Amino acid sequence: DGGITQSPKYLFRKEGQNVTLSCEQNLNHDAMYWYRQDPGQGLRLIYYSQIVNDFQKGDIAEGYSVSREKKESFPLTVTSAQKNPTAFYLCASGTGIHEQYFGPGTRLTVT
Amino acid sequence: GENVEQHPSTLSVQEGDSAVIKCTYSDSASNYFPWYKQELGKGPQLIIDIRSNVGEKKDQRIAVTLNKTAKHFSLHITETQPEDSAVYFCAAKERPSGSARQLTFGSGTQLTVLP
Repeated sequence: DGGITQSPKYLFRKEGQNVTLSCEQNLNHDAMYWYRQDPGQGLRLIYYSQIVNDFQKGDIAEGYSVSREKKESFPLTVTSAQKNPTAFYLCASGTGIHEQYFGPGTRLTVT
Repeated sequence: GENVEQHPSTLSVQEGDSAVIKCTYSDSASNYFPWYKQELGKGPQLIIDIRSNVGEKKDQRIAVTLNKTAKHFSLHITETQPEDSAVYFCAAKERPSGSARQLTFGSGTQLTVLP
């Protein structure tokens, strides 16, 4: 997991509530990424950020929002507009050139 | 965009045998191919990667080969051990388009090493 932390490890929310997942890195990486993983499936990109104060939508951005106010932090908000939010959420960081390194993940359950 | 297919989805081998996982990609412009190992309930860990100017790369018991002409790459694990049991993901990264440098992942292979 290197210098990437995600909190909390498990998160439970009621349907209709917004929830924010934390991701922090101390690797001095410029780029940060959020992925979603569903059981038995690969990773799908939600949002990514190449530099502070800039971010781009990935393949499945609907119902999610992000901010990048600091180089070290890239929080993800799962809004009530996300129709199927229960999943394992993974944050990653990298130099923006090649390698990406992942955090330990947050398992979100919405009931 | 890039499309990555990974096979097989599950693989069981006897301890000490070799395991091979194969991936194909669609975009001939892709130039970086990492492999990740994910243990249950944890984040993926980068175990080896290869760039398009290299055909093979080894790191102890693991190796990756790349065939750019056929657009496929493979992960080879020799002398498998029970601790190699995990889900393995391949990925491919496209050359930058604007500011985009993204990884596209395969669907994963559940490797089980039987003692």
